[in-house]
Amino acid sequence: QQQVKQSPQSLIVQKGGISIINCAYENTAFDYFPWYQQFPGKGPALLIAIRPDVSEKKEGRFTISFNKSAKQFSLHIMDSQPGDSATYFCAARRLEYGNKLVFGAGTILRVKS
Amino acid sequence: NAGVTQTPKFQVLKTGQSMTLQCAQDMNHNSMYWYRQDPGMGLRLIYYSASEGTTDKGEVPNGYNVSRLNKREFSLRLESAAPSQTSVYFCASITGVGANVLTFGAGSRLTVL
Repeated sequence: QQQVKQSPQSLIVQKGGISIINCAYENTAFDYFPWYQQFPGKGPALLIAIRPDVSEKKEGRFTISFNKSAKQFSLHIMDSQPGDSATYFCAARRLEYGNKLVFGAGTILRVKS
Repeated sequence: NAGVTQTPKFQVLKTGQSMTLQCAQDMNHNSMYWYRQDPGMGLRLIYYSASEGTTDKGEVPNGYNVSRLNKREFSLRLESAAPSQTSVYFCASITGVGANVLTFGAGSRLTVL
């Protein structure tokens, strides 16, 4: 079963545009929600993360918006650049089950120059 | 450079053959993980080791075995490879329970004919 649902599967954005990737979860016991970025031929790397007691977190051009009541969170990439072209995974963790992350299916982002 | 090292990077097997994927980390992390990545399915946890001397099943353990050889090394074995095990395998590690940054290796691409 997929505990974290991610959409869209792929996304094409013009350079300078805003990229938006959405995720939804069901388990209200999740306590940590990271986003990972993966370039071709590389392993995923932590991009940005949020805890459920915060509604928004911003790091540079990357922002996570978190809606606890709707059990949804999203990644916004402002002023998208060709170098942002990668696969993005949302994930969720329940600490009492250790550091086992449950990942979304991934979104392939392509930023056209 | 410090990090997670996986070998081999590429492997082709015939159905029924066996092989072991090797993983080593030099960050003194306590917990280690094996994930598989398949298109449209994200990253799924195969096995993990919360600390040296312990291993436990993840979401998709069937057809695999693991060994936590010491604190640095965590291997994944396919005893009788099947085409359904064609995938990209990632090893990852983290400091321990409660830590937030999961560090991934570069991946091992396995094809089973």
